[in-house]
Amino acid sequence: EIVLTQSPGTLSLSPGERATLSCRASQSVSSSYLAWYQQKPGQAPRLLIYGASSRATGIPDRFSGSGSGTDFTLTISRLEPEDFAVYYCQQYGSSLSWTFGQGTKVEIK
Amino acid sequence: EVQLVESGGGLVQPGGSLRLSCAASGFTVSSNYMSWVRQAPGKGLEWVSVIYSGGSTYYADSVKGRFTISRDNSKNTLYLQMNSLRAEDTAVYYCARALDTAMALGYWGQGTLVTVSS
Repeated sequence: EIVLTQSPGTLSLSPGERATLSCRASQSVSSSYLAWYQQKPGQAPRLLIYGASSRATGIPDRFSGSGSGTDFTLTISRLEPEDFAVYYCQQYGSSLSWTFGQGTKVEIK
Repeated sequence: EVQLVESGGGLVQPGGSLRLSCAASGFTVSSNYMSWVRQAPGKGLEWVSVIYSGGSTYYADSVKGRFTISRDNSKNTLYLQMNSLRAEDTAVYYCARALDTAMALGYWGQGTLVTVSS
């Protein structure tokens, strides 16, 4: 099973600042089958990024994904008030077992 | 419009069984990758199971041998049969559908709560 480790656990930032979230895999994620999701309290997750760097439909361009192999990054260029939430990475390259990271909470400083 | 509506959650005793349903509209379940993801209270997301359009099924180690994912094409509905339930299975269970162009989960239901307790 591929283990995904996200860092930091919590990111305290102000609106307008840049957020950089990391996701490290225990082994290479094939073909960049890596996604990022946003979840707000009481809501279902929302897909932001798939294939490591492709934005899902309707996702603002302040969200960007990068990386390959075992190291991936989600960047929010300028935080808007609605971006404060929990973010999860997920790998779906191993057909036997998909996995999520433990999440990074982006909170208002 | 793609819609996913889960049902079947509730309170069940340890060792008991429950079947979750996910009624889909706006697309054909059998033509898509469909998955169950759960979230224990106050915890992160945990992938549970996936069924591919071809019918292959896969499970997380934590539920293998106890849970079964299936679909009913005539009802356009996804199921999760959960047996031998444990307290640690307590969670909100989400049904989700992959994108047409990638296996990332682009469509989600609102979730249904399963509580395993005596």
